[in-house]
Amino acid sequence: DTAVSQTPKYLVTQMGNDKSIKCEQNLGHDTMYWYKQDSKKFLKIMFSYNNKELIINETVPNRFSPKSPDKAHLNLHINSLELGDSAVYFCASSQDFRPANSPLHFGNGTRLTVT
Amino acid sequence: GQNIDQPTEMTATEGAIVQINCTYQTSGFNGLFWYQQHAGEAPTFLSYNVLDGLEEKGRFSSFLSRSKGYSYLLLKELQMKDSASYLCAGGKSGGGNKLTFGTGTQLKVEL
Repeated sequence: DTAVSQTPKYLVTQMGNDKSIKCEQNLGHDTMYWYKQDSKKFLKIMFSYNNKELIINETVPNRFSPKSPDKAHLNLHINSLELGDSAVYFCASSQDFRPANSPLHFGNGTRLTVT
Repeated sequence: GQNIDQPTEMTATEGAIVQINCTYQTSGFNGLFWYQQHAGEAPTFLSYNVLDGLEEKGRFSSFLSRSKGYSYLLLKELQMKDSASYLCAGGKSGGGNKLTFGTGTQLKVEL
């Protein structure tokens, strides 16, 4: 009965590879997000989708491509991985995109290590 | 984090009260969230203030002063399990629920 689940939990890969992280929520929420948490624990938004439509696209290299096949899923594909991509990536969802109604529910994170 | 400042670390004693402050640029946000993050885990929602004043939820309370760009999280009757990072985050209406997080305050509760 996990609310927001993401896989894999750990991902170790070499520079230049392409990898994907999957995320699913069973809360019936309309909005989903990808956040990146760096080694200093700073949590920064990357993307947000509302009902499969992209609504937030921060300054993220275009090697990162989100895909939302339906409103319960938001996957993240990363091409040509670099050392600086090493971080914990959190998927999250909220009821909708209005802050007053919508605390974020986070997944347990994917710890990506690029060697 | 950009526009949001909070102390890096705090230490408190079990059973005591601790106040974690957060300051932000007033032009940025409509409301303030507080999240708790235990080491190696996901952040979890604690509170949201959109109006000035104090919101109480059991042992945790959160305060907001929009004119001063100031918020705090108050934790009472501290327990060892409260040792965690506490993240202040600003939310902006019309911004697609884009939260801007501070770098978090690492709270250590000691015996």
